[in-house]
Amino acid sequence: KQEVTQIPAALSVPEGENLVLNCSFTDSAIYNLQWFRQDPGKGLTSLLLIQSSQREQTSGRLNASLDKSSGRSTLYIAASQPGDSATYLCAVIGAGKSTFGDGTTLTVKP
Amino acid sequence: DTAVSQTPKYLVTQMGNDKSIKCEQNLGHDTMYWYKQDSKKFLKIMFSYNNKELIINETVPNRFSPKSPDKAHLNLHINSLELGDSAVYFCASSLLTELGNTIYFGEGSWLTVV
Repeated sequence: KQEVTQIPAALSVPEGENLVLNCSFTDSAIYNLQWFRQDPGKGLTSLLLIQSSQREQTSGRLNASLDKSSGRSTLYIAASQPGDSATYLCAVIGAGKSTFGDGTTLTVKP
Repeated sequence: DTAVSQTPKYLVTQMGNDKSIKCEQNLGHDTMYWYKQDSKKFLKIMFSYNNKELIINETVPNRFSPKSPDKAHLNLHINSLELGDSAVYFCASSLLTELGNTIYFGEGSWLTVV
């Protein structure tokens, strides 16, 4: 059974700081891994998708990496802004099923 | 156009009632899901349908019954609602291709049982 863990559960940083969110999973037989953002009271917004054959994906200030052999993914956020404050979830996607981590709640202070 | 749409967005109802949440996707995806997000914000899969066939049914009370009339729709019916059913329910869809499997989520349905 796939288990996904995100560390830390919460993170507070000053504006402008670079930061890394971690996601680990127990079963490396995955199709891909997807990072989401969720704002309070809102749905999930897809940020980045990394296919199982890829090592990383970049979108603007975001960079996600994937190391299947070690069961780890990281989401790197450069030059953080208050607008980045949200909960970030990683989802490990297998055959017809996705397993989510419990999320990291990020607060970026002005 | 909204890719994955679910209705209603907000629902307040009394214990013991029966309610349904509808979901439709216009992405041509072949797999649809229902997720439950509880008060602690943990997101757990409930059901997964592929081409109208149930492929995943996690440990969910049988008061919850998904219905997929076609590939574009997956509705969630809940009987005899309980206080613990209060949560946000997310519908999602995906299409598995050789490039992978990206999941698209609906906006969520906030269910409050009083």
